[in-house]
Amino acid sequence: DAMVIQNPRYQVTQFGKPVTLSCSQTLNHNVMYWYQQKSSQAPKLLFHYYDKDFNNEADTPDNFQSRRPNTSFCFLDIRSPGLGDAAMYLCATSREGQGIYEQYFGPGTRLTVT
Amino acid sequence: AQSVTQLGSHVSVSEGALVLLRCNYSSSVPPYLFWYVQYPNQGLQLLLKYTSAATLVKGINGFEAEFKKSETSFHLTKPSAHMSDAAEYFCAVNAGNNRKLIWGLGTSLAVNP
Repeated sequence: DAMVIQNPRYQVTQFGKPVTLSCSQTLNHNVMYWYQQKSSQAPKLLFHYYDKDFNNEADTPDNFQSRRPNTSFCFLDIRSPGLGDAAMYLCATSREGQGIYEQYFGPGTRLTVT
Repeated sequence: AQSVTQLGSHVSVSEGALVLLRCNYSSSVPPYLFWYVQYPNQGLQLLLKYTSAATLVKGINGFEAEFKKSETSFHLTKPSAHMSDAAEYFCAVNAGNNRKLIWGLGTSLAVNP
């Protein structure tokens, strides 16, 4: 089945220690998104890629970076995690050109910062 | 500017009762509307979508939603709740040539035996 895969599902990192979360997709979608979701809140868009074109949200902290080396993979790098960065991180994809922009989500990575 | 309002952050129903989750939107152009469900420690799963083809949209797991332009609403319903329906439900809107979804704050559905 075509899907969005996130690894790892659970990640524990130390305060200030860089961490990378990964996302891959077999849907061949050209848009990939990273969201941050804190407990009992709606997902908050951090950035998205349209092909290799990176689009950052204005309020995304500089501490968050992303890479998309190819169509299938996208990475979220947190350079110096703080306690406030503990959250669920969701990757999603969509296909530009269909005009509907429904998004398909991975299972998420829950990040704990100690 | 687009916006989504979900009325009721928590809804509780008995098993077998009607589920009604409310969503109102604001959009200056014809919207696309979505309902997603999120189970604990999981990603979001698309339940159904409105894309202007039909005002009554049927989705997965027995859910459906009706687009009412005059009321700017897109409420989610299910005739008979099941214990497995307990989850967080998000309404989202997309309008125009825009890759982003605007999300409601979510409604937590509890189903009581």
